[in-house]
Amino acid sequence: GDSVTQMEGPVTLSEEAFLTINCTYTATGYPSLFWYVQYPGEGLQLLLKATKADDKGSNKGFEATYRKETTSFHLEKGSVQVSDSAVYFCALRDDKIIFGKGTRLHILP
Amino acid sequence: DGGITQSPKYLFRKEGQNVTLSCEQNLNHDAMYWYRQDPGQGLRLIYYSQIVNDFQKGDIAEGYSVSREKKESFPLTVTSAQKNPTAFYLCASTLGGRDTYSNQPQHFGDGTRLSIL
Repeated sequence: GDSVTQMEGPVTLSEEAFLTINCTYTATGYPSLFWYVQYPGEGLQLLLKATKADDKGSNKGFEATYRKETTSFHLEKGSVQVSDSAVYFCALRDDKIIFGKGTRLHILP
Repeated sequence: DGGITQSPKYLFRKEGQNVTLSCEQNLNHDAMYWYRQDPGQGLRLIYYSQIVNDFQKGDIAEGYSVSREKKESFPLTVTSAQKNPTAFYLCASTLGGRDTYSNQPQHFGDGTRLSIL
């Protein structure tokens, strides 16, 4: 069945560091891919999405490219801020909606 | 602004008691979902509904019940049969059911934290 695998956390970085959170997927169809962010005590918010191969989603300095050949959708940001500290979820939607287990990110000032 | 409202934000349950978590959306979305999130864990699907008066079990439906009498509302009841109910509960909705509008994201409420007294 469909699945999403993302790197385990926590990930701890200093402010202004480069961020990569890996996400790979398996799917029988042609899913749309999403990154969500969850701040403490809140629900999930959509961060970015891509709906077909080679699409790049971007928002708030974060980017992810839909790579069909490697079945990946890695999240990147060139310079992280303390306010980016949160849990990040990778997800796919085909006939089902599947979430990864989440990656906790800590940014140190 | 359209969105999803969950209430209450915090809820306490006594032994043997049923409690109901509210979820209301004004996004005119067809599908609604309930997830459970345990500390440091991902999301697990409890129930989902694609249209009014219809709903399906998710991966961990035992000890829970739902109803979908109105498009806007999808309440979740945590029954006394759920022996470990302490968790963060998230409600979500999407435009279209699970097999339509697959490029549309889910919208989430702010969650209800349930604890045992």
